[in-house]
Amino acid sequence: DAGVTQTPRHEVAEKGQTIILKCEPVSGHNDLFWYRQTKIQGLELLSYFRSKSLMEDGGAFKDRFKAEMLNSSFSTLKIQPTEPKDSAVYLCASSLGTGIYAEQFFGPGTRLTVL
Amino acid sequence: AQSVTQPDARVTVSEGASLQLRCKYSYSATPYLFWYVQYPRQGLQLLLKYYSGDPVVQGVNSFEAEFSKSNSSFHLQKASVHWSDSAVYFCALRNYAQGLTFGLGTRVSVFP
Repeated sequence: DAGVTQTPRHEVAEKGQTIILKCEPVSGHNDLFWYRQTKIQGLELLSYFRSKSLMEDGGAFKDRFKAEMLNSSFSTLKIQPTEPKDSAVYLCASSLGTGIYAEQFFGPGTRLTVL
Repeated sequence: AQSVTQPDARVTVSEGASLQLRCKYSYSATPYLFWYVQYPRQGLQLLLKYYSGDPVVQGVNSFEAEFSKSNSSFHLQKASVHWSDSAVYFCALRNYAQGLTFGLGTRVSVFP
């Protein structure tokens, strides 16, 4: 059974560009999360979908970050326009069921570098 | 607001020795608590989780954690580490209708 898939694994962008990161959750999972990981801030929640409905939009990340669930098996995270401070690893996770206790399965991440 | 603190950024331990990683949380209600591990170039993997019941919970790879409500802590332990336990360990807390709130992680290095 395939785990969470994220593409691309690495992305390099110029300041001001638009980039789109992709995530395929574990088949059958109905909760999907996007996190950003940096050395300074650690792991921060960007977006949370429950059965394709947006539950959490990450507050401080709202202005340039937009996550969408195009269908139950595909999600995108758009950053527009990119800034050097967006350089980080972006992690996607999914879980089965809507229980708060459900295990989240993480993808390997996309490492974004903004020049 | 909820928060998770892992006071040790790095821990170095020799193979075969015991390991304890500290985690303190701040949350007004009963927390759902998790420990995740991140191996190099891999995604996070769940080690164990706790919500209620026996305060000592067993996880994968012989890890266990002990919950203390009075100390607001959820420390992770392993009796005897192996070189393959070298990784970054994250303590996390979850609130209803939100994602996980993570600590900054503790990097564990196991040397022979």
